[in-house]
Amino acid sequence: KAGVTQTPRYLIKTRGQQVTLSCSPISGHRSVSWYQQTPGQGLQFLFEYFSETQRNKGNFPGRFSGRQFSNSRSEMNVSTLELGDSALYLCASSFLGGGSYEQYFGPGTRLTVT
Amino acid sequence: TQLLEQSPQFLSIQEGENLTVYCNSSSVFSSLQWYRQEPGEGPVLLVTVVTGGEVKKLKRLTFQFGDARKDSSLHITAAQPGDTGLYLCVVPGGGGSNYKLTFGKGTLLTVNP
Repeated sequence: KAGVTQTPRYLIKTRGQQVTLSCSPISGHRSVSWYQQTPGQGLQFLFEYFSETQRNKGNFPGRFSGRQFSNSRSEMNVSTLELGDSALYLCASSFLGGGSYEQYFGPGTRLTVT
Repeated sequence: TQLLEQSPQFLSIQEGENLTVYCNSSSVFSSLQWYRQEPGEGPVLLVTVVTGGEVKKLKRLTFQFGDARKDSSLHITAAQPGDTGLYLCVVPGGGGSNYKLTFGKGTLLTVNP
């Protein structure tokens, strides 16, 4: 079974631009979560989608948004990029979601904002 | 304030040494997980512990959940270079939601050959 895939793997953007990251979950998984990883803050939860509905959102500004498609693939968008948005963005999928279930992480998208 | 405090933050040891890393909190958890993240990869689940006092072994790794379900430890025996990575303590929920994982900041382990 193929793992979680994320595209692109690396991205360089300029302040003020916007960016869209993509995540394809493991086949059959309906829950997709997004996390931001930085050296200072570690991994922080962005949001989780299940069957195309956002079930929960972390404490990030409205510039961070996401969506999930009927095939469970998910995208996240960051508008008006700031230098502090430079991070590794990780996507994780699980069958049902919820914290007690194992989440399978993709390799991440490394975003650099200059 | 961090929900989960992991220590030490960094650990560099020689191959063959033993080590223990810790995850502490003032909160009680229904379950706790340990993930390992290798350079350039996403985290991978190592173990889930659910019962106070529970001990689980995974080859040379021994995981223990505290009796009060507030803390956990990970002990590695005879560490190998392949054990190098970021060890993350994780609990479900946080901020009033069950649909998320809350991560500690991790222990970055380097095992030198």
